[in-house]
Amino acid sequence: ETGVTQSPTHLIKTRGQQVTLRCSSQSGHNTVSWYQQALGQGPQFIFQYYREEENGRGNFPPRFSGLQFPNYSSELNVNALELDDSALYLCASSPTSGRPTEAFFGQGTRLTVV
Amino acid sequence: SQKIEQNSEALNIQEGKTATLTCNYTNYSPAYLQWYRQDPGRGPVFLLLIRENEKEKRKERLKVTFDTTLKQSLFHITASQPADSATYLCALFHGSGNTGKLIFGQGTTLQVKP
Repeated sequence: ETGVTQSPTHLIKTRGQQVTLRCSSQSGHNTVSWYQQALGQGPQFIFQYYREEENGRGNFPPRFSGLQFPNYSSELNVNALELDDSALYLCASSPTSGRPTEAFFGQGTRLTVV
Repeated sequence: SQKIEQNSEALNIQEGKTATLTCNYTNYSPAYLQWYRQDPGRGPVFLLLIRENEKEKRKERLKVTFDTTLKQSLFHITASQPADSATYLCALFHGSGNTGKLIFGQGTTLQVKP
C-alpha cells in the first residue's frame, strides 16, 4: 500500500451533474497530481497542486478544478459532467514538485457518467 | 507532436521466459524515464527510474535500458512468473523549475502462462 487513499472508490453520476473526488496524500508529501485514465489507455495528467497552489495543468477544460488543503490532501471537482468523463481518476502524491521522484498512486476512483 | 508509444498488443509468454516490453518516444528529450506496474482496477505502482546518463538499471528480476539516441526504453522481466501478469506503463518526466508531470504511454499488458 502506498499510503495514498482516494474516496469514493466508485461513483455513478448523471450527465450535467457535478462531482467531487478526494485524495489523502502520503505523509510528508506536499505535491499532489491528478490523472484521468480511460479504459485501455495510460493515465493523462489533469493538474498538480504544490503547497495549496495549482502548479501545472494538462489539456483539460476549466470545468475540471481542484483544491489542496493545508494538510496537503486534495480534491478534484468536475462540473457539467459529460459521458466522456467516465474514467478511472487517479491521485498521486510525491515528496516534492519539479523532481522526477517516484509517484505514489492511490487506488483510484472509478467514475461512470450515464 | 510529442508521443510515447508502447506495444498496444498484449504480450503472452510462458513462465520462466524473459518478457521484453518496449517504450518509444518522439519529440521529447526526457532526462528521466520511469516504469510502473498496474493491476486491474488499481493505481500504478512504481518499479524503476532511469536517468538519461544511465544505460541500464536493475532491480531483482527487472532490468531497464534507456537509449536516448534511439529514443527508446526496454523493460525486461527475467524468469517471469504468473504473478508478473499485469499492465506495465512507461512514463517520462516532463518539467522544469518547480513543476513537472508524468507523461504515460498507453501501457502493455503482459500475460505469463504457467
